[in-house]
Amino acid sequence: GAGVSQTPSNKVTEKGKYVELRCDPISGHTALYWYRQSLGQGPEFLIYFQGTGAADDSGLPNDRFFAVRPEGSVSTLKIQRTERGDSAVYLCASRFLAGGADTQYFGPGTRLTVL
Amino acid sequence: DAKTTQPNSMESNEEEPVHLPCNHSTISGTDYIHWYRQLPSQGPEYVIHGLTSNVNNRMASLAIAEDRKSSTLILHRATLRDAAVYYCILRGSNFGNEKLTFGTGTRLTIIP
Repeated sequence: GAGVSQTPSNKVTEKGKYVELRCDPISGHTALYWYRQSLGQGPEFLIYFQGTGAADDSGLPNDRFFAVRPEGSVSTLKIQRTERGDSAVYLCASRFLAGGADTQYFGPGTRLTVL
Repeated sequence: DAKTTQPNSMESNEEEPVHLPCNHSTISGTDYIHWYRQLPSQGPEYVIHGLTSNVNNRMASLAIAEDRKSSTLILHRATLRDAAVYYCILRGSNFGNEKLTFGTGTRLTIIP
């Protein structure tokens, strides 16, 4: 079946602009995660949704970052007033919570470049 | 979160077994040991996980030390497709502890 998809695959923007990154999880997965990966580093947790609500947003670096999941499926990560330091690959993952399934399925990521 | 320590890089010859070590001396009794790998230009991919007993699946085996302070991911016969960064991650089993805390992992190079 279809995996996690993320759009766009690449986004180039200018410092100070607003960007939205989209994640389509695997159908039926109730848990959704956003991570950020800088060059040479492992992914870093940003936020976790269970259904429509953000159950853990402790990884969001500051209030310029916000994420929504209004219908419990697609999620959008929103970054305001982008800075060069926001350049990274933004990864989305989803998980089926019932039955003790523990695997997070990752999408291919969106590469964000802030000039 | 309890920390894991892995070698930065390893090399192995194609079609030979690979043993990827991970130290986690501060692991707690409820922490599961997870392994993910990340192929070039892709998102991470689940490999295997375990709690106390050794585990096998179609991708790999996980050998867990008796004191649980270390573990080893075993690829039985490496192929060029196994070249990736391998991450050893501890995740608590308590409700709400959902995030995966990645380190820098081990970059595995397979020599043809």
